[in-house]
This record gives sequence, C-alpha cells and structure tokens, in this order.
Amino acid sequence: DIVMTQSPDSLSVSLGERATINCKSSRSVLYRSNNKNFLAWYQQKPGQPPKLLIYWASTRESGVPDRFSGSGSGTDFTLTISSLQAEDAAVYYCQQYYSTPPWTFGQGTKVEIK
Amino acid sequence: EVQLVQSGAEVKKPGESLKISCKGSEYSFTNYWIGWVRQMPGKGLEWMGIIYPGDSDTRYSPSFQGQVTISADKSISTAFLQWSSLKASDTAMYYCARLKGYDVFDYWGQGTLVTVSS
Repeated sequence: DIVMTQSPDSLSVSLGERATINCKSSRSVLYRSNNKNFLAWYQQKPGQPPKLLIYWASTRESGVPDRFSGSGSGTDFTLTISSLQAEDAAVYYCQQYYSTPPWTFGQGTKVEIK
Repeated sequence: EVQLVQSGAEVKKPGESLKISCKGSEYSFTNYWIGWVRQMPGKGLEWMGIIYPGDSDTRYSPSFQGQVTISADKSISTAFLQWSSLKASDTAMYYCARLKGYDVFDYWGQGTLVTVSS
C-alpha cells in the first residue's frame, strides 16, 4: 500500500493568515500517461463527515472557496489556505487514489485558530 | 441533491453480527461506486472498500478483507457493511460515501456509530 504522511500533525494560525499543510506519499502518485496526480484533500469538522475539497492535486471541488488551493506533484503535495477564516478550523486529510485500491489517507492535520 | 442516508447507531456485544446500511437517492445508484470508511474514536480515516452496485464488483483493503462484507441491493439503492462476529476493536464511526468516478469520495453519509462492548 502507498503510505501517506502529513506534516505537521497540528498547527495554529491567526485569522487572515496563511495555513500550509504538507502531504508526502511513499511512492509517486503521478500517472505519466495523462500527467495527473491522483491526490485529494478533504476537510472534516467535529461531528461531521469529511468534505471533498480538492482532487487531481489542484482541482477545487464545486463550491469550495478559492482560498483553498492544492499544489505539488509526484510524491510531495501541499494544501494552502490563503487567508484563514474561523470556519476553516478542522482536520484536513490527504488521500491517494493511484493504481489499485486501497486508496489510503494521511493521518490528518488539525488546524486551529490562534 | 445527492443524498446518502445511513442507518442509526448500534450497540452490540462481542461476537454478535451486524449489518448497517447506506441508502442513496437523487442519482443513478447503479452507475457510481460506493465505499466505506472507518474512523475509530479520535483517530483518522481508514479506507475499507468499495462496491459498484451495477454489477456488485467489490474491492477491499487488505486490512479489512475477510473482516467485513460489503454488498449492495440495487433494487432499493442501498449499500451494506456487515460483520459476522464483532470485536471491541470494531467500535468506530463508519461512513459510506459515493465515488465521483473511480477515485475520490464526493458525497458522504452522516455516519453510523457502532459500539461493541460487553
């Protein structure tokens, strides 16, 4: 299985500041034939199911605010929240969906408001 | 709007069997994969497996293969997750979710809390 490792485990950011979460996969999730990275990001708030934010490493799901952006390729990826809002306090997970299942998640990164 | 509605919370004893459900609506149930994700108390997300209701093609994570059974009844647009003999370590929230294609989960159920305790 591909192992996904996120860093940091938690971070505290002031309102309006930038939050950056990293995700590293144990092997490349870039499919060279179509140049797509099979990497997604989810947000989970307390007591709620996860919500899809980004897929193909950088494509925002419909309705997701543009302060959320994804970048990276191969094995190293980043989720950036450009200007943190109070409602962004949550746990964020990366997930790879490369090749055959299982399509594993990272361990999660908790974002708190400073 | 696409909806996935899961069955209610369960409290079971070790060794008992259980089947929980996930009913899809407002989309073509047979044309989208549905998956199950486990979240143990205070922990992260674990990908368990997926099923294509159109032909019941099923894929399991090796971590869950043989421990659970995923099934679907397309006549009632419902997917199932079942255990034949529960353990205390099965205590968790279980989410069903629809796959956007053969990839990411775009719609999620509200979750079913399963508690296994003697």
